[in-house]
Amino acid sequence: EAQVTQNPRYLITVTGKKLTVTCSQNMNHEYMSWYRQDPGLGLRQIYYSMNVEVTDKGDVPEGYKVSRKEKRNFPLILESPSPNQTSLYFCASSPRDGAYGYTFGSGTRLTVV
Amino acid sequence: AQSVTQPDIHITVSEGASLELRCNYSYGATPYLFWYVQSPGQGLQLLLKYFSGDTLVQGIKGFEAEFKRSQSSFNLRKPSVHWSDAAEYFCAVGVGQNFVFGPGTRLSVLP
Repeated sequence: EAQVTQNPRYLITVTGKKLTVTCSQNMNHEYMSWYRQDPGLGLRQIYYSMNVEVTDKGDVPEGYKVSRKEKRNFPLILESPSPNQTSLYFCASSPRDGAYGYTFGSGTRLTVV
Repeated sequence: AQSVTQPDIHITVSEGASLELRCNYSYGATPYLFWYVQSPGQGLQLLLKYFSGDTLVQGIKGFEAEFKRSQSSFNLRKPSVHWSDAAEYFCAVGVGQNFVFGPGTRLSVLP
């Protein structure tokens, strides 16, 4: 089944403790992206990647890092999480560029205390 | 400024009634257009998309959308709503390497 898989689905952590949210797609898509969803603010893009080793900032990149060492994987790294990063995170992939639309993962609900 | 707007934050309809969710965009060129649905606690599922051609697009779950260039709109419609359609609906626009979501419309369905 074609899908985007994120792990974990739920995560509670403490301020300052580094964490990684994994994302993997099995559709051989070139584009991958991370979004966060917050009440009243909608979905905002954090980072995106056009291909292996090519990444760029989205609208809200502060406090996040990403890497794209393999085509299928696009992990999101929070090196020093803060409570304002408590949010629902979605990974997504697209066959070419974002204009073709994304397939989304199921989401990761992160709480930073 | 480039933007995607969904004028209705929350809509309530009765089961069996028709539905129209509005979406307007503001971009120089005609972008690619999408509608996604997010059920409570779930991810986003693509309902339909418009790239070019016929301006009336059919999607999954009985939804359709009509692109109107003159109005910069891409409204989502369904002739008869089911209780399971209660969810959040997002219009989205793809322009170049950018993919931007509207703020969403929450749909409630009365029995």
